[in-house]
Amino acid sequence: DAMVIQNPRYQVTQFGKPVTLSCSQTLNHNVMYWYQQKSSQAPKLLFHYYDKDFNNEADTPDNFQSRRPNTSFCFLDIRSPGLGDAAMYLCATSRDDLPGSSYNEQFFGPGTRLTVL
Amino acid sequence: GENVEQHPSTLSVQEGDSAVIKCTYSDSASNYFPWYKQELGKRPQLIIDIRSNVGEKKDQRIAVTLNKTAKHFSLHITETQPEDSAVYFCAASEGTSYGKLTFGQGTILTVHP
Repeated sequence: DAMVIQNPRYQVTQFGKPVTLSCSQTLNHNVMYWYQQKSSQAPKLLFHYYDKDFNNEADTPDNFQSRRPNTSFCFLDIRSPGLGDAAMYLCATSRDDLPGSSYNEQFFGPGTRLTVL
Repeated sequence: GENVEQHPSTLSVQEGDSAVIKCTYSDSASNYFPWYKQELGKRPQLIIDIRSNVGEKKDQRIAVTLNKTAKHFSLHITETQPEDSAVYFCAASEGTSYGKLTFGQGTILTVHP
């Protein structure tokens, strides 16, 4: 009964070769997030979708793009991976569909560990 | 934007002792403060959270306290066990109506048997 699923769990790519990471959820949450986590550091928010509205963090490089074709799926595209992009990429979801609510709990997927050769 | 500071960065205790991790935040509009536990190579797992209308919350050996005036909150783990060893992250919600979080830097907790 996995709730947030990420594929693949491990991804190896070559320097400059585009890569796509996927996330799916069975929670029907309307908000989805992508985080980058490097070794011994906190998760760093790259962007998030509120329903279909895309929200980019100011310091997220243009090299990172995202797509959300429907409620359940969200993709992270890295157009030209560099050595500095090697990290764990975490997808998370939360809900905000009750007016005036403050239901903020985020549910994380298991992550995709990206290696750049 | 929100800034969250977390201390200490590493904490080593003996089994059975208590552990305390502290965080401060900058945005007075923040209203949600979760704590996540992350074991090596695994996803962050929510262990406890607190909202701004509550000063303290307890769940078995884990408790969180919040001081809104001072803008700090703390995680307390009593009767620590070796399986409590992990990295702990505090976070604060930026006051929007949904869960955009800013994380602290993390604390590596080691519980020695």
